[in-house]
Amino acid sequence: NAGVTQTPKFRVLKTGQSMTLLCAQDMNHEYMYWYRQDPGMGLRLIHYSVGEGTTAKGEVPDGYNVSRLKKQNFLLGLESAAPSQTSVYFCASRSELSGAYGAKNIQYFGAGTRLSVL
Amino acid sequence: DAKTTQPTSMDCAEGRAANLPCNHSTISGNEYVYWYRQIHSQGPQYIIHGLKNNETNEMASLIITEDRKSSTLILPHATLRDTAVYYCIVRVYSGGGADGLTFGKGTHLIIQP
Repeated sequence: NAGVTQTPKFRVLKTGQSMTLLCAQDMNHEYMYWYRQDPGMGLRLIHYSVGEGTTAKGEVPDGYNVSRLKKQNFLLGLESAAPSQTSVYFCASRSELSGAYGAKNIQYFGAGTRLSVL
Repeated sequence: DAKTTQPTSMDCAEGRAANLPCNHSTISGNEYVYWYRQIHSQGPQYIIHGLKNNETNEMASLIITEDRKSSTLILPHATLRDTAVYYCIVRVYSGGGADGLTFGKGTHLIIQP
């Protein structure tokens, strides 16, 4: 059972280039998330999805777009990369079967994508 | 979500119990306490969660004070592989999937050989 898989693991871009980060989960989870983590800081939510065909903005959505065409995949796109987007990106997923009051609100994370924008 | 306060770093000797405190004095009645950890260069990993009762699983124990304003994560027999940043997160279930986790800076736990 692979869990949450992120590709690529590393990438270097030049300013203005575009790229797509792929997140795939094999746990049949409804909810998926994209976070970024900058040095010495916690994770910040970029976008999330509550199901196939749905997306929503998180805390820091500017400069990113997402798509959830298939339940198992959540794509994060950078249309025109900027040095400020240099970061480690983490994808996560969780089941919709959370029970009452977050009793099982457990997110499962991928290993991350390290992105440098020069 | 209630704000949490954790020490920046802690040391613990290998084989001893590691006790990681978290203050969440503004926690509300329907907010759970979650603990995650992040080993260097890896994604965060869920450890344990609780509402008001103490909880134990194969990884750790969670002790929540009676007034719920603070909690302690206990790793009973710490190993070198437990060296990581530990995050205490207070979260209410808002429904609809709008429940991305809010990570602070956490506690960097260093297990000493």
